[in-house]
Amino acid sequence: DAGVIQSPRHEVTEMGQEVTLRCKPISGHDYLFWYRQTMMRGLELLIYFNNNVPIDDSGMPEDRFSAKMPNASFSTLKIQPSEPRDSAVYFCASSSRLWDREETQYFGPGTRLLVL
Amino acid sequence: ILNVEQSPQSLHVQEGDSTNFTCSFPSSNFYALHWYRWETAKSPEALFVMTLNGDEKKKGRISATLNTKEGYSYLYIKGSQPEDSATYLCALNQGGKLIFGQGTELSVKP
Repeated sequence: DAGVIQSPRHEVTEMGQEVTLRCKPISGHDYLFWYRQTMMRGLELLIYFNNNVPIDDSGMPEDRFSAKMPNASFSTLKIQPSEPRDSAVYFCASSSRLWDREETQYFGPGTRLLVL
Repeated sequence: ILNVEQSPQSLHVQEGDSTNFTCSFPSSNFYALHWYRWETAKSPEALFVMTLNGDEKKKGRISATLNTKEGYSYLYIKGSQPEDSATYLCALNQGGKLIFGQGTELSVKP
């Protein structure tokens, strides 16, 4: 398996523009997570899905952020409008058995977002 | 708000040194603790999932222990090599949601 795939790997945009980040989880994984990594807050969970349904979005910072999972193999995280403070590395991760204490989460390589 | 603390924040060692770092977490309602290794521009790589008090797991030169009663886990690296240079993250599993520490950045000089 190719692992979790994210695109783009790098994104530079101007304040006010819409940004869309994409993720393809590992095939067969029912759970998908979006994380954000910043110097100030470290790695924090934004939202996660189970069988394409959002389960917990309590980490989504504000209404400018939205996430969708239209099917089992694709998810998007959208920021509209983007602001400089959104600059961070955004990771997607997937997992197959959340109820199994021994199960880990598999991370993608991240999207490095810079909002000017 | 759960607090997962890692220490030290950064560590500089010479090749061949053995090193260890700490992850502290609230001991109540423990479920599982994860260790990840993260090199810049790469995916965080899962090292261990620790679930039982007294657990000790090993992967090559890297090992980890767990004390759920006092709320800490240690990660050890024996005979550090330059390729071990990375940020080591621990994360408390709260029913599937991972709460990460800030990480320990390890630099191993040849």
